[in-house]
Amino acid sequence: SQQGEEDPQALSIQEGENATMNCSYKTSINNLQWYRQNSGRGLVHLILIRSNEREKHSGRLRVTLDTSKKSSSLLITASRAADTASYFCATDPDRGSTLGRLYFGRGTQLTVWP
Amino acid sequence: GAGVSQSPSNKVTEKGKDVELRCDPISGHTALYWYRQSLGQGLEFLIYFQGNSAPDKSGLPSDRFSAERTGGSVSTLTIQRTQQEDSAVYLCASSLRIAGGSLGTDTQYFGPGTRLTVL
Repeated sequence: SQQGEEDPQALSIQEGENATMNCSYKTSINNLQWYRQNSGRGLVHLILIRSNEREKHSGRLRVTLDTSKKSSSLLITASRAADTASYFCATDPDRGSTLGRLYFGRGTQLTVWP
Repeated sequence: GAGVSQSPSNKVTEKGKDVELRCDPISGHTALYWYRQSLGQGLEFLIYFQGNSAPDKSGLPSDRFSAERTGGSVSTLTIQRTQQEDSAVYLCASSLRIAGGSLGTDTQYFGPGTRLTVL
C-alpha cells in the first residue's frame, strides 16, 4: 500500500505536554503533508514538507522527515485542549505519469486533557 | 467564495434511492477530489478531476458511483440505488494545480463534508 500509517492510533496527554505522532510510508515521495480533523468533518492542512527538507516549523508544530527511513513525525509543543483532534499524514508519491492524489493514513486521535 | 463548500450538509435517504452530492471548489482551483470517510476510519479516495476530466477514477467502489465536473468548477457525485454500506461522510477537496515530477501535489483544501445516512 502507498498510504501512510500513523502511530500511535490514539494519544492522550495533559495540557502543556508535548504530543508526538509518527507516520511511516513505503514508496519514495515528492512531499508529505499533515492534516487535522475535528469532529469527523473537513480536514485542515497544517504543514507540508518536501522530500529534500528534513525539518519544518510552524508555530507550535514541528515536522521532521527522514526519507531513508521513510518516516515523518509531527510534534505539537505545549499542547492545549483545543488541539484535541484527529491528525492525518498524507503522502504524495514520486509518481511517473500518474498525477494528483494524496494517500492518507488512518490517523492518530489526540486527546488533550485540561 | 472563501473556501470549499458542499451541499447538502446532511442527507438521509432510503435504501435504493439515488442521491446527488455537490461540491463547489475554491475559485481558480483546477484540481478537485472526492473522498469518503466511514465512522472512525481514514479517508478513502474516490476520484479526482483535473479540469473537467477525471484521470483517476480508481477509487469508485462500484458502478453505482459516478461523478462529473462541468466548467472546471462545480462537481456532483451521484450514488445510484444507495445501500446501507454507502453511509459515510463524503468529503470534497480542491487544490490550485497539479504538477508532475518533483513539484508534486499542492495542498488540498477540504469542504465540511456531506454526512450521508442510508436507512
